[in-house]
Amino acid sequence: SAVISQKPSRDICQRGTSLTIQCQVDSQVTMMFWYRQQPGQSLTLIATANQGSEATYESGFVIDKFPISRPNLTFSTLTVSNMSPEDSSIYLCSVEEGGLFHFFGSGTRLTVV
Amino acid sequence: GDSVTQMEGPVTLSEEAFLTINCTYTATGYPSLFWYVQYPGEGLQLLLKATKADDKGSNKGFEATYRKETTSFHLEKGSVQVSDSAVYFCALDLAGKSTFGDGTTLTVKP
Repeated sequence: SAVISQKPSRDICQRGTSLTIQCQVDSQVTMMFWYRQQPGQSLTLIATANQGSEATYESGFVIDKFPISRPNLTFSTLTVSNMSPEDSSIYLCSVEEGGLFHFFGSGTRLTVV
Repeated sequence: GDSVTQMEGPVTLSEEAFLTINCTYTATGYPSLFWYVQYPGEGLQLLLKATKADDKGSNKGFEATYRKETTSFHLEKGSVQVSDSAVYFCALDLAGKSTFGDGTTLTVKP
């Protein structure tokens, strides 16, 4: 089973600034996923990141707001740009196991003030 | 599109009580079904899964059976413990795309 390390675990940021979240996996994976979990709500997929190509964004999410990097098969970053209080959420990265279920990082709890 | 509907919470039970958290789904094909658990301050962990109709997933005393006729995947445990307090998410995966329910918060009191 994959082990996923996500940093930072939490942060409090000023509105208008940007935060980059890192996700490190202990094995090589083809696809990595970034989710947002707003307070008291379920998970919403932001984008899928494949190594060597641009990320694929879900409806309602754009690259200018959530740029993603995927420089190799074990690492990805998600940046939350020009933050507002509405961006306060838990951001989770995940990878697929056996092309089926997901392993998740412990998440980044972001508060924008 | 595909969707997952979970029993609304929060659910509060006494230790050793029986737990049921209902989950139904709508999908255009034959999905795989999952229950994930999120303990306070942590990410989601896979609890159990079932990949085809009539499969029963089980782990740590929790069980769920994939019921195609009722499009359901209800989570059950015969005797809950305080350490089971967490948020439980039902999810489906179809063609590599995952859809999650809204989560059900379970609190177990001693």
